[in-house]
Amino acid sequence: KQEVTQIPAALSVPEGENLVLNCSFTDSAIYNLQWFRQDPGKGLTSLLLIQSSQREQTSGRLNASLDKSSGRSTLYIAASQPGDSATYLCAVGSNFGNEKLTFGTGTRLTIIP
Amino acid sequence: NAGVTQTPKFRVLKTGQSMTLLCAQDMNHEYMYWYRQDPGMGLRLIHYSVGEGTTAKGEVPDGYNVSRLKKQNFLLGLESAAPSQTSVYFCASSYSTGNTQYFGPGTRLTVL
Repeated sequence: KQEVTQIPAALSVPEGENLVLNCSFTDSAIYNLQWFRQDPGKGLTSLLLIQSSQREQTSGRLNASLDKSSGRSTLYIAASQPGDSATYLCAVGSNFGNEKLTFGTGTRLTIIP
Repeated sequence: NAGVTQTPKFRVLKTGQSMTLLCAQDMNHEYMYWYRQDPGMGLRLIHYSVGEGTTAKGEVPDGYNVSRLKKQNFLLGLESAAPSQTSVYFCASSYSTGNTQYFGPGTRLTVL
């Protein structure tokens, strides 16, 4: 059974710093991996989707990498801003398509002005 | 373009009562999903649908039923609510398998 872990559960960094969020998974036979953002009391917003054949994806200040062999993904946020404060969730799609996404419990990020 | 909408936003039920949560999407997506989110646990898939008229069980389907009579709507039913079903419920949709899932704002359900 796929298990997804995100450590740490919470992270605080000063505004302007670059930071890395981590995601690890136990079964490397994945279809894809997605990073989501969740604001308090709100739904999830997709940030980046990496297919299993890809190594990374970039969108603006965000860069996500995928290393299937080691069961790891990272989300890099450059020049952090207070508006980046949210919970970031990693989700892994099964080898049969992402009907079955397995989510991590997230990292709650706080950017300190 | 509203994306994915959910009705209602909040609901309080007594044990044994029934209710239906409605999810609607206007993106012409084939796939739709129902998740629940509980503190300290990742989102867990309850049921999903790969097209109009189809449904399938996810990770935690017990106590729930679903229907997809129209492509744009996906209903989640609780026939006899239990306190263990207190949770935040999210609906999501995607164009196809392997594509980005788009989430609704959630329904916060409390069962007393």
